[in-house]
Amino acid sequence: QKEVEQNSGPLSVPEGAIASLNCTYSDRGSQSFFWYRQYSGKSPELIMFIYSNGDKEDGRFTAQLNKASQYVSLLIRDSQPSDSATYLCAVQTGGFKTIFGAGTRLFVKA
Amino acid sequence: DAGVIQSPRHEVTEMGQEVTLRCKPISGHDYLFWYRQTMMRGLELLIYFNNNVPIDDSGMPEDRFSAKMPNASFSTLKIQPSEPRDSAVYFCASSLDPPGSNLYEQYFGPGTRLTVT
Repeated sequence: QKEVEQNSGPLSVPEGAIASLNCTYSDRGSQSFFWYRQYSGKSPELIMFIYSNGDKEDGRFTAQLNKASQYVSLLIRDSQPSDSATYLCAVQTGGFKTIFGAGTRLFVKA
Repeated sequence: DAGVIQSPRHEVTEMGQEVTLRCKPISGHDYLFWYRQTMMRGLELLIYFNNNVPIDDSGMPEDRFSAKMPNASFSTLKIQPSEPRDSAVYFCASSLDPPGSNLYEQYFGPGTRLTVT
């Protein structure tokens, strides 16, 4: 089992829809969870982080964390073509090592 | 602030040659990270430094890889000898706060695309 798993996609959604990206992790001692966006040929950029169970909202983005289920998700509301990118889930394990998932490719159709 | 600076942006070399990648972190950031990204393995942490001291090098794939940070504003990742399987994008990142801190955020450089033929 990979330490951080994501569906590679591509996930295709129409403009204006909600995109839902999911991630599961294996280390129950993990405390910090991050979502990065990476455009093709560019470097990852942090868009959200979450530490506590529940939801965290920032503009059109909502991160959801369920530590009991070892599950973290990212919702993007009112998806725009400019949101088309690869979204990387990153988990900081109990040993403070950051493990990245392989990423989910999102395509927002205009 | 110029952000994290990496050089070169692209490097093409022949198998067996030495390759040196360079990174300048954001001024004032005490933590520096080297990552490698490939299609097969995704983004992997190779090593990270705190105040110029290597803290965790468990991700360094083998002895052909070495990293140094002689001062707070410069780090190198060296591969000697290089092999075709080392072809990847190598990212350097820096952060102000330590891993585990609620303020922890990494800023990535533009990356160096390495091709070993």
